[in-house]
Amino acid sequence: NAGVTQTPKFQVLKTGQSMTLQCAQDMNHNSMYWYRQDPGMGLRLIYYSASEGTTDKGEVPNGYNVSRLNKREFSLRLESAAPSQTSVYFCASSEVRGASNEQFFGPGTRLTVL
Amino acid sequence: GENVEQHPSTLSVQEGDSAVIKCTYSDSASNYFPWYKQELGKRPQLIIDIRSNVGEKKDQRIAVTLNKTAKHFSLHITETQPEDSAVYFCAAGGTGGSYIPTFGRGTSLIVHP
Repeated sequence: NAGVTQTPKFQVLKTGQSMTLQCAQDMNHNSMYWYRQDPGMGLRLIYYSASEGTTDKGEVPNGYNVSRLNKREFSLRLESAAPSQTSVYFCASSEVRGASNEQFFGPGTRLTVL
Repeated sequence: GENVEQHPSTLSVQEGDSAVIKCTYSDSASNYFPWYKQELGKRPQLIIDIRSNVGEKKDQRIAVTLNKTAKHFSLHITETQPEDSAVYFCAAGGTGGSYIPTFGRGTSLIVHP
């Protein structure tokens, strides 16, 4: 079991460039999430997908789009990158298992926008 | 929506001391309260969680307590060790429909040998 995987691990973009962050999970989870982590700000939800075929905005969705390609994969796209999107991005997945709703996180993507 | 406040933002202790991190939440519909540990450069990982029908849960040196009336929950780490040094996040969320937790801003715990 690989758990949650993300690509790329690091990326440097120039302002205005676009890119897609890829995420996949092999735990058969229905729910998937994209977070950004900035110093002192905790984990802020960008978008989530409660099940295949559905996506919803989180706390900070502006400047991002997502695609739930199938049950395994959930991608995050930056159409026109801005320096304010410099951050560490985490994908996560979860499923109710008994009394737990544990979220499993990917290793993260460190993005710098110049 | 849910609002989670976490304190302190930084906590420095000597090895062997206890550490306590506190969180408050605002939405009475929240019924699941996990704690995550994030080591430097790594991903967050669950260390303990509690549901609202339980007041306390313990797992070796870590424990979580929940006061539903006051809407606060705490993480307790006893006999701290240098490897406990990390950022700890609390979260709160409801599991009635889609599970969408709100995270606290994190506590940086430093354990001095």
